[in-house]
Amino acid sequence: DGGITQSPKYLFRKEGQNVTLSCEQNLNHDAMYWYRQDPGQGLRLIYYSQIVNDFQKGDIAEGYSVSREKKESFPLTVTSAQKNPTAFYLCASSIVGTLNQPQHFGDGTRLSIL
Amino acid sequence: QKEVEQNSGPLSVPEGAIASLNCTYSDRGSQSFFWYRQYSGKSPELIMSIYSNGDKEDGRFTAQLNKASQYVSLLIRDSQPSDSATYLCAVNENSGAGSYQLTFGKGTKLSVIP
Repeated sequence: DGGITQSPKYLFRKEGQNVTLSCEQNLNHDAMYWYRQDPGQGLRLIYYSQIVNDFQKGDIAEGYSVSREKKESFPLTVTSAQKNPTAFYLCASSIVGTLNQPQHFGDGTRLSIL
Repeated sequence: QKEVEQNSGPLSVPEGAIASLNCTYSDRGSQSFFWYRQYSGKSPELIMSIYSNGDKEDGRFTAQLNKASQYVSLLIRDSQPSDSATYLCAVNENSGAGSYQLTFGKGTKLSVIP
């Protein structure tokens, strides 16, 4: 079945450590997105990419980095510079270039600090 | 700063009643609108999209759009306990050069009482 796979489901980070969250999609979507969700809050955009080897900062990119080497994959690295990383991280994808295309989400990764 | 506003709730309705969820948005240029349902601990799931003024019905769900008032709503008829979730309103906005981004509201928590 086509879909978006995020792994791991749960992740723990030690102080000073970088961690990488995986996102893979087989929907043949050009655009991919990373969001952060805090309890009781809406989704905030971290980074997005509309094409391989290109990506743009969202509203809260500080302390995060991404790469887009393959159309199917858009990993997110939470660096040690992100001082409050505990959140629910959601990856999404969509068809690019048309206004009316919704985004579809993976199951998410919960990141906590040890 | 483009904004999407929702009442956080909780909105409590008895089983079988109509639940009405509301959303306002700040960008007059917005052209496509989506409702996502998010169960506790899960990722958002697309349930409705609407692009033109008026009503759009899908089963027990009806989305209503009024672009002049910058208002979009979701009605859930014959509410069931399984409809208890947080409902996120999302507005697609042109961020330039053929790029579109979703701006999400913080969500309205709906509780359907048996």
